[in-house]
Amino acid sequence: SQQGEEDPQALSIQEGENATMNCSYKTSINNLQWYRQNSGRGLVHLILIRSNEREKHSGRLRVTLDTSKKSSSLLITASRAADTASYFCATDARGAQKLVFGQGTRLTINP
Amino acid sequence: EAGVAQSPRYKIIEKRQSVAFWCNPISGHATLYWYQQILGQGPKLLIQFQNNGVVDDSQLPKDRFSAERLKGVDSTLKIQPAKLEDSAVYLCASPLRKQSAVTGELFFGEGSRLTVL
Repeated sequence: SQQGEEDPQALSIQEGENATMNCSYKTSINNLQWYRQNSGRGLVHLILIRSNEREKHSGRLRVTLDTSKKSSSLLITASRAADTASYFCATDARGAQKLVFGQGTRLTINP
Repeated sequence: EAGVAQSPRYKIIEKRQSVAFWCNPISGHATLYWYQQILGQGPKLLIQFQNNGVVDDSQLPKDRFSAERLKGVDSTLKIQPAKLEDSAVYLCASPLRKQSAVTGELFFGEGSRLTVL
């Protein structure tokens, strides 16, 4: 079963704009991760945020986590055409010892 | 460059035929995962190995899917007989780094895309 649900399912913006994707989950977690998948390729790990962290940065990526609302957001600043991809959140649920992925957000950056 | 190798990249078969996928994970990691990704969905865990042993195969359709990991290195995933709904990308993954066995961060292969006609 899918633990995380991403919102929106699809997002199209102009190059240079910021892109925000949201993820909601159902159970208590150890950490939450974000992955990127280019068309026809495997998933690439972007960033991990632990359950006791509220915000994390990596380059143009900013991730927030609100455990009280069971939600996370991924912000990509100053988007580029190369950011066009699907983005998935994945949760490492406590006691489950496995990574469960959401349905993904399909991001399109228009030049 | 070390990574997760998968083959074949593409396979087209007719329903009720069989197919096998191969994965060579990042060396030195005991854990190996097979995920199924249906078009438009996120990956779903099929089976997790720790060395040669199965840790989790709760979502593996055991009437048609089987997987093995010989000598704790390479792994094969087999489907016999295939159904139309098995059309998907089959992804193999290793822990991203040594401490990822605890955090669950994964390094994925490029996947094997299966089309069942």
